[in-house]
Amino acid sequence: QVQLQESGPGLVKPSQTLSLTCTVSGGSISSGGYYWSWIRQHPGKGLEWIGYIYYSGSTYYNPSLKSRVTISVDTSKNQFSLKLRSVTAADTAVYYCASVAPRGYSYPFDYWGQGTLVTVSS
Amino acid sequence: DFQMTQSPSSLSASVGDRVTITCQASQDITNYLNWYQQKPGKAPKLLIYDASILETGVPSRFSGSGSGTDFTFTISSLQPEDIATYYCQQYDNPLFTFGPGTKVDIK
Repeated sequence: QVQLQESGPGLVKPSQTLSLTCTVSGGSISSGGYYWSWIRQHPGKGLEWIGYIYYSGSTYYNPSLKSRVTISVDTSKNQFSLKLRSVTAADTAVYYCASVAPRGYSYPFDYWGQGTLVTVSS
Repeated sequence: DFQMTQSPSSLSASVGDRVTITCQASQDITNYLNWYQQKPGKAPKLLIYDASILETGVPSRFSGSGSGTDFTFTISSLQPEDIATYYCQQYDNPLFTFGPGTKVDIK
C-alpha cells in the first residue's frame, strides 16, 4: 500500500517561497506510469490541482499557477517537492500530495497524503 | 477556460434514500471523469474512475454513469457514514480540473 506524507513549514511570510516535500513509502516513485501531483484546498473551499511530475522529471502545471510553481523529484529519496514563489494570503491552503494512477483513461488520484496546512502571514 | 459544474451544491437526505449528484463538463471529456469523497479534515478518497468503474474496496451502493459532458453519481441507499463532500474531477490531457463539490448530509 502506497503512502504519501507531506512535510514543510506551516507558516510562510508574504512574498517568500512556500516549500513542501512529499515522501512516498510502500512503493517506488519510479513505478512505471505513475505521476506525482500537488493539489491544494483553500479553507472551506474546493480542490485545485497545482501540477504533476513524472519520475523522469517531466512536469506540467496548472496554467493559473505556472509562473510561480516548480515541482521537482528526488528518486534517491523517493520524494517529490513543491515550490511556490511570491506567496500571498491567497495561497493559504491545505496542500496535498497525491499519486496519479496509470489506470483506465482518466488518470485518477488514487493515493493521497493527509494534507498540510500552510498559512501565509507576516 | 474548461469548466466543471456540479449540482446540487448541497443536499439533505434521509438514511436509506437514493442520492444523485450530477456533474457537467464544458466540453466533451469522453469518460475521463472521476469521483471522490471527502470527509471533514480528511484527504479526498477515490470512489469511481473512468466515470463508472468502482475503485477496489468501495461499497457497491456507490455508482457512476455518463459520458461526453454529462455525468451522474449515485448513492443507492444513503448511510450515516456517507456524510461528506463529493467532487467530480476530469482529466483533459494534460490538465486536471475538479468540480466545486456537493455537500451531503443527513436530514
